Amino acid sequence: AQSVTQLDSQVPVFEEAPVELRCNYSSSVSVYLFWYVQYPNQGLQLLLKYLSGSTLVESINGFEAEFNKSQTSFHLRKPSVHISDTAEYFCAVSGWGGSEKLVFGKGTKLTVNP
Amino acid sequence: DAGVTQSPTHLIKTRGQHVTLRCSPISGHKSVSWYQQVLGQGPQFIFQYYEKEERGRGNFPDRFSARQFPNYSSELNVNALLLGDSALYLCASSGQGVTSYNEQFFGPGTRLTVL
Repeated sequence: AQSVTQLDSQVPVFEEAPVELRCNYSSSVSVYLFWYVQYPNQGLQLLLKYLSGSTLVESINGFEAEFNKSQTSFHLRKPSVHISDTAEYFCAVSGWGGSEKLVFGKGTKLTVNP
Repeated sequence: DAGVTQSPTHLIKTRGQHVTLRCSPISGHKSVSWYQQVLGQGPQFIFQYYEKEERGRGNFPDRFSARQFPNYSSELNVNALLLGDSALYLCASSGQGVTSYNEQFFGPGTRLTVL
């Protein structure tokens, strides 16, 4: 079984500041890792994913996350945030070899202030 | 191309009633999964169906059931509604990918309110 812990429920930052949203997971098997973003009154959109290979993965809008197996972490970072990045961010895992079931954390609400 | 679609968008029911939620996957996708997202929480896995067969089930009571049709659309049914069933119900579809993991694409959800 897998579980995900998102250490911060809310993260307020100013525009153009750097941000890190923290995610730790536990699993008895190898995992795939994901970050999803949810804007108000919308469904989930995949932001980035780690399946294999390079432990540093990037999204098209400047976010990046690094898979750290020894620390069982997959923290999300962005060097300079915009107002439009305000949203809820969910970290998720899926175990290798089973169903495609995703196990989500409780989410981190990122608020970017002017 | 159309993404995952869900109907209805919003629904209000009273305790004890039954509800049916519908999902149409992306064209060509054969797998549909259902998730429940209670306010302030992350989504929780309910079911996955692939080629009309149940492939996975989460920790939900038997009041929750689902099925997948020959055109790969799916229904989620909830009987004897409780106040705690109020949530956003998300449907996700996935297809045959070239990687070892098939990415899931989420619909906009159905907001269920139980009074």
